[in-house]
Amino acid sequence: SQQGEEDPQALSIQEGENATMNCSYKTSINNLQWYRQNSGRGLVHLILIRSNEREKHSGRLRVTLDTSKKSSSLLITASRAADTASYFCATDAGYSTLTFGKGTMLLVSP
Amino acid sequence: DGGITQSPKYLFRKEGQNVTLSCEQNLNHDAMYWYRQDPGQGLRLIYYSQIVNDFQKGDIAEGYSVSREKKESFPLTVTSAQKNPTAFYLCASSPRTGFYGYTFGSGTRLTVV
Repeated sequence: SQQGEEDPQALSIQEGENATMNCSYKTSINNLQWYRQNSGRGLVHLILIRSNEREKHSGRLRVTLDTSKKSSSLLITASRAADTASYFCATDAGYSTLTFGKGTMLLVSP
Repeated sequence: DGGITQSPKYLFRKEGQNVTLSCEQNLNHDAMYWYRQDPGQGLRLIYYSQIVNDFQKGDIAEGYSVSREKKESFPLTVTSAQKNPTAFYLCASSPRTGFYGYTFGSGTRLTVV
């Protein structure tokens, strides 16, 4: 069953702009994670935010978590063409495995 | 370098054949996972294993089988019972289940011809 749903499905921006992707989920979670997937490749883990955290930063990435609204956002600042990829949120609801959403396709044009 | 290796990268299967996808990791991770990804879709869990000689079905286990005889290896067999096997298959591992990010392999693209 798919727990997380990303929004928007696709996002197109210019280099230097910020990109914001959202994830909503249905049940209580232990943590939420974001992954990046370049076309035809495996996923790469970006960041993990625990249920008792509200915000986390890693380089140009900023993740927020609102457990009352069951939602998270991923902000990529000063986007580069190399950030072009699909981005997935994944939730850990304590069932031993992660549940992934369908992803947001990000296109960053030079 | 530590990592997770999937082979082959591309695999073609005739209808009625069983095929086995390889997944090997040298990260000393206890847990391993198989996901299936269809175009424009998220990942759906096929099987996972938390320890050697033990594994559990995921959401879409029908038509698939796995084994976990060694910590490093978690091969996936796509059997002839799988009605629509054409997909991108991803293997992942983590130190153990819960509160850890996954390390993914680069995937195997399976096509039925």
